[in-house]
Amino acid sequence: TAGITQAPTSQILAAGRSMTLRCTQDMRHNAMYWYRQDLGLGLRLIHYSNTAGTTGKGEVPDGYSVSRANTDDFPLTLASAVPSQTSVYFCASSDGGGGTDTQYFGPGTRLTVL
Amino acid sequence: GQNIDQPTEMTATEGAIVQINCTYQTSGFNGLFWYQQHAGEAPTFLSYNVLDGLEEKGRFSSFLSRSKGYSYLLLKELQMKDSASYLCAVMDSNYQLIWGAGTKLIIKP
Repeated sequence: TAGITQAPTSQILAAGRSMTLRCTQDMRHNAMYWYRQDLGLGLRLIHYSNTAGTTGKGEVPDGYSVSRANTDDFPLTLASAVPSQTSVYFCASSDGGGGTDTQYFGPGTRLTVL
Repeated sequence: GQNIDQPTEMTATEGAIVQINCTYQTSGFNGLFWYQQHAGEAPTFLSYNVLDGLEEKGRFSSFLSRSKGYSYLLLKELQMKDSASYLCAVMDSNYQLIWGAGTKLIIKP
């Protein structure tokens, strides 16, 4: 079982350009999440989706958008990248059952915005 | 505000025992998670506590005191492969995870 896959593995992007980070899971999990991880800071939630067709804003949503057209895919789009969006981005998924709702992470995308 | 505190870095010796502490202040509590993250890799789930007490899983144990807003992860018989960051996270009243910045554990031979 692949679990969660993310693409690309890494990317260098010019400021002002747009980009979509891809995330796909094959565990039929209801909930999916996008986090960014920066040195010295905890994982910060960007956007989440509790089930296909619904999305919500996390702690740091500005400059990012998401969609959840089906259960498996949860792409993250940067409409006009800025250097402060340089980070490692992790996608995660969970059953979405509350309580003991363990999140499972993809391998991450390392993004550099110049 | 919501806050998770854990030491930035710890050093221990191969074969020894180490305890990584985590204190939290969150709006509501629906459980506490510990994850392991090797450098350049994704976090992987280690343990979950929702009731007070100790949960043991092989060489790793996790303790929770809800009244004190405190948890620790205990690693026994340390191996070189245990060199990693250990992340503490609390599920708040909205069932969202609030993450600590992680504790980098360095194991020396």
